[in-house]
Amino acid sequence: GQNIDQPTEMTATEGAIVQINCTYQTSGFNGLFWYQQHAGEAPTFLSYNVLDGLEEKGRFSSFLSRSKGYSYLLLKELQMKDSASYLCAVLWNNAGNMLTFGGGTRLMVKP
Amino acid sequence: DAGVTQSPTHLIKTRGQQVTLRCSPISGHKSVSWYQQVLGQGPQFIFQYYEKEERGRGNFPDRFSARQFPNYSSELNVNALLLGDSALYLCASRLRDNYGYTFGSGTRLTVV
Repeated sequence: GQNIDQPTEMTATEGAIVQINCTYQTSGFNGLFWYQQHAGEAPTFLSYNVLDGLEEKGRFSSFLSRSKGYSYLLLKELQMKDSASYLCAVLWNNAGNMLTFGGGTRLMVKP
Repeated sequence: DAGVTQSPTHLIKTRGQQVTLRCSPISGHKSVSWYQQVLGQGPQFIFQYYEKEERGRGNFPDRFSARQFPNYSSELNVNALLLGDSALYLCASRLRDNYGYTFGSGTRLTVV
C-alpha cells in the first residue's frame, strides 16, 4: 500500500506557530509535496522536498526525513487566511510517477 | 499564461446518466491527471495520461474512463452515475514526471 497519514484537524492561534506532520511508507518514495486548499477551491502548491532537510519559503517551511518516512509543514506567524486544509502528497517511483494524497489536515486559526 | 482550465464548473446529473468532464492543461504540459475529491477528504487518484497514453489508473470501477488528445487536453467520462460519484473532480497538469502538479479549479458534480 501507499498509506499517507496526517492529523485530521488542528487549531492554532493567530500569530502562533503550527507544525503539521505527515508520515508515509518509504518504499518507492520519489518526492513529497505540500498543498494548501481553501474550502471549495483547488489545491495550490506550497513546497516540494526530495532530499532530507528543511526547505524554507517565507512563513512556510517543510522538512523531510526519507529514512523515517516523515515530513512536516511549519507555518509561522499564523494569519486568519491560513485557515485551510493542508494536503501532504507523495510521488511514487512507479510507472508514471503517480502522486498520492493524504486525507488532509484542516487547520483553524483563531483570533 | 492560462492555468489549468476545466469545464463545466458545476454540473447536476441524475443517477444512471453519463457525464463528460473536460480539461485543458497549461501550455507545454504533456502530463494530465484526474482526481476525485469527496468533501472532507484528500483527492483520490483516478487516471494519469502522458503523451496521450494512460500511465496509471487508480482504484475506480470501469464506469470511469478517460483519454488525452493530441493537443494534450483531456476528457474524463463517467457512465451509469451513482449518488456516490458526487464530488469535486480535479484535473492537474505537470511539465515532467518528477514535477509537482498544477490543479484546475475543478468540476463540482452532483448526482441526484
